[in-house]
Amino acid sequence: AQSVTQLGSHVSVSEGALVLLRCNYSSSVPPYLFWYVQYPNQGLQLLLKYTTGATLVKGINGFEAEFKKSETSFHLTKPSAHMSDAAEYFCAVSERQAGTALIFGKGTTLSVSS
Amino acid sequence: GAVVSQHPSRVICKSGTSVKIECRSLDFQATTMFWYRQFPKQSLMLMATSNEGSKATYEQGVEKDKFLINHASLTLSTLTVTSAHPEDSSFYICSAPGQGPWGTEAFFGQGTRLTVV
Repeated sequence: AQSVTQLGSHVSVSEGALVLLRCNYSSSVPPYLFWYVQYPNQGLQLLLKYTTGATLVKGINGFEAEFKKSETSFHLTKPSAHMSDAAEYFCAVSERQAGTALIFGKGTTLSVSS
Repeated sequence: GAVVSQHPSRVICKSGTSVKIECRSLDFQATTMFWYRQFPKQSLMLMATSNEGSKATYEQGVEKDKFLINHASLTLSTLTVTSAHPEDSSFYICSAPGQGPWGTEAFFGQGTRLTVV
């Protein structure tokens, strides 16, 4: 069965600092990989996804993630944090087949201080 | 992209009553929809897969008699929490897989905050 591990339930950075949120997956076959952001009492917004092709994926709001098969990782980064980035971030995986459910990591709360 | 609309966004009900949550795909057809549950400060846990025209598939540990799922059309799935109790208070989110160019994505509803008092 697939699983997702997000290291660090809470990450705090200063405004303008680098954001790094870690995600590792456990699957014999590399799955589809996703990062979502959730603001309080709201649904999920897709930041970016990796399915195939270039391993460095650029998403919305300046975020990007790199798929590293050798490390079974899909870490999310942003060069310069903004106050509005404070939210809950979820890494998720799905089987390499359209229409399958997502399996989510436990989430990482990102706090940004001025 | 595609839009999934979920209603209501918030509901407060008395213990012992039932609550129905609707999930609609607005501009595409969804033969499958997924229902997730999220406790405060926790991740989303898949509860069940809703299949149009057939029975839902429930994840291990989810009571199918308590969480009734009906997928009566290609654009509507409903989750009914029957005889709700305070421990059922949670955030419920539905999603539908995309079609065509968006086939690798999942589109999420806005979520429903259920509070049972």
